[in-house]
Amino acid sequence: DAGITQSPRHKVTETGTPVTLRCHQTENHRYMYWYRQDPGHGLRLIHYSYGVKDTDKGEVSDGYSVSRSKTEDFLLTLESATSSQTSVYFCAISEGTGGHYGYTFGSGTRLTVV
Amino acid sequence: QQQVKQSPQSLIVQKGGISIINCAYENTAFDYFPWYQQFPGKGPALLIAIRPDVSEKKEGRFTISFNKSAKQFSLHIMDSQPGDSATYFCAAAKSGANSKLTFGKGITLSVRP
Repeated sequence: DAGITQSPRHKVTETGTPVTLRCHQTENHRYMYWYRQDPGHGLRLIHYSYGVKDTDKGEVSDGYSVSRSKTEDFLLTLESATSSQTSVYFCAISEGTGGHYGYTFGSGTRLTVV
Repeated sequence: QQQVKQSPQSLIVQKGGISIINCAYENTAFDYFPWYQQFPGKGPALLIAIRPDVSEKKEGRFTISFNKSAKQFSLHIMDSQPGDSATYFCAAAKSGANSKLTFGKGITLSVRP
């Protein structure tokens, strides 16, 4: 998707290992979000950021941490990956107050924890 | 508590038919209601959105109908095409600093040729 890139696109990792997913944007948008998508659960918010070094928890934040040291990058870290964290992870960006400007989503990272 | 509920859970429609997806919300403070469309292997993309000052918004074959008193809004896809086969998410948000979208669980639409 234009302006937002997620890496890696696919990753297989072992239980107990740390994993970092990267979201990079070129739109200079203030707001960034990390979601996970699982069958039957839809999109669930993990963490979000409303500016450099300003982050907050979403509804499913346990086991995840984030960092945003630059406007363009939002990192999601699984401190010690578990099988329950096998999922598709999406990053999204928003120009203004999240709800009224629409979100632009990345193409996702498919993470498998074995 | 699920603040945004979609129905049905899945939908199969014949080509040329009308697809109707419903969404109900809990929070009366919500004042922005978008629909997102997601194709396999892709991220969701904004399809169409409405605010409660209007009861209907149309963009091409896609129409949102909004019923404030019932706290419901729906997506209508006219002349459904196989290319419309995707997952559709409704969402809602309220005004205010750092407001975030609350998404429904999504429904899978299959349009048969």
